[in-house]
Amino acid sequence: AQKITQTQPGMFVQEKEAVTLDCTYDTSDPSYGLFWYKQPSSGEMIFLIYQGSYDQQNATEGRYSLNFQKARKSANLVISASQLGDSAMYFCAMRASSMASGTYKYIFGTGTRLKVLA
Amino acid sequence: DAGVIQSPRHEVTEMGQEVTLRCKPISGHDYLFWYRQTMMRGLELLIYFNNNVPIDDSGMPEDRFSAKMPNASFSTLKIQPSEPRDSAVYFCASSRAPSDSYGYTFGSGTRLTVV
Repeated sequence: AQKITQTQPGMFVQEKEAVTLDCTYDTSDPSYGLFWYKQPSSGEMIFLIYQGSYDQQNATEGRYSLNFQKARKSANLVISASQLGDSAMYFCAMRASSMASGTYKYIFGTGTRLKVLA
Repeated sequence: DAGVIQSPRHEVTEMGQEVTLRCKPISGHDYLFWYRQTMMRGLELLIYFNNNVPIDDSGMPEDRFSAKMPNASFSTLKIQPSEPRDSAVYFCASSRAPSDSYGYTFGSGTRLTVV
């Protein structure tokens, strides 16, 4: 079964430090995509970063990087030099194929609430 | 681009009433998704469309929910009759392709309260 697991309901980090948000996934589909989204208190969902299952290198987008360990089925988000504006809910998500139906499945984790301390 | 546009932003309705949520995807995006977010269940995919055709509606909770996409620039999610347990934030999202490395673009959501 396709599944995304985020085991950290909440995290604190000091401003200007780096923080890692954990995400593990489960899929039997050889081709899949992994995403991270940010949801501030205002409620909108903001796309941060994407990693394809065949990508050889870890994805990076500014202060965001994705630590992709395929054998361990993990796709952790690393935020460097945390800022107060990074305080938000962070969701890991996966797009995978459903072999049975031939459709795509889009699955979100339960999220990690990050609080950046001044 | 104005992004994904959802209306209304907030909806309060009485149990038993019909509710219609609206979404305008980004032009050129072939995929449209409807999600529901609650504290208890997190983000759930209800249904998604490809080129206006419903592909997977296995997430639609029950027959009270229906979704349509009559053209590439408009989709509706209807709940009839509504119940208090339908209270949630409903997001619409669109993307160019399932393997799009830019992810999905979400609308601002509709906060539905059924009393």
